[in-house]
Amino acid sequence: SQQGEEDPQALSIQEGENATMNCSYKTSINNLQWYRQNSGRGLVHLILIRSNEREKHSGRLRVTLDTSKKSSSLLITASRAADTASYFCATDGGYNKLIFGAGTRLAVHP
Amino acid sequence: GAVVSQHPSWVICKSGTSVKIECRSLDFQATTMFWYRQFPKQSLMLMATSNEGSKATYEQGVEKDKFLINHASLTLSTLTVTSAHPEDSSFYICSARVLERDYGYTFGSGTRLTVV
Repeated sequence: SQQGEEDPQALSIQEGENATMNCSYKTSINNLQWYRQNSGRGLVHLILIRSNEREKHSGRLRVTLDTSKKSSSLLITASRAADTASYFCATDGGYNKLIFGAGTRLAVHP
Repeated sequence: GAVVSQHPSWVICKSGTSVKIECRSLDFQATTMFWYRQFPKQSLMLMATSNEGSKATYEQGVEKDKFLINHASLTLSTLTVTSAHPEDSSFYICSARVLERDYGYTFGSGTRLTVV
């Protein structure tokens, strides 16, 4: 099963620009997490935001959560070519499993 | 800490054969493990949840007789793709629940299965 949609599906930007990805989900959640996946590789955990939090920062990452709209956004500031990857949101609804969104493929050009 | 080792990282097999993928928790006990499948340029789809010592719970649409999951110990879960066909070619990733970790999950590095 898949929670919901992420948009955009693909994003192409220049180094130094900001990248914003959005995620929507369908059910109630305990927390929402963002992961990065380089092509053909495993997942790297980026950040977690709990259902009672609205915004969280970690380095160049900023995550927001709007539980009334069942949506979250991930902002990567001052992007680098090394940020090129696929980004997924994943929701933990308390049923002891993590459900992933559709993902955004980010390409950062030097 | 909380590392899951997944093997093999890639495998090529002939149609009709079976392939076993292993996930081992190296420094913790994994009472619950998850198996995901990912087709190219798509998201991770949860296939099943396995609990140590009990039968796996499969997501809707996943054939339990085709994707055999065994979680016989607290450190090892296996996924066997039986009678593999080219449409089973995919990236398979395991994950384990880690209660001590803030974000609760750790992932294996994935297995690229190609059925020819």
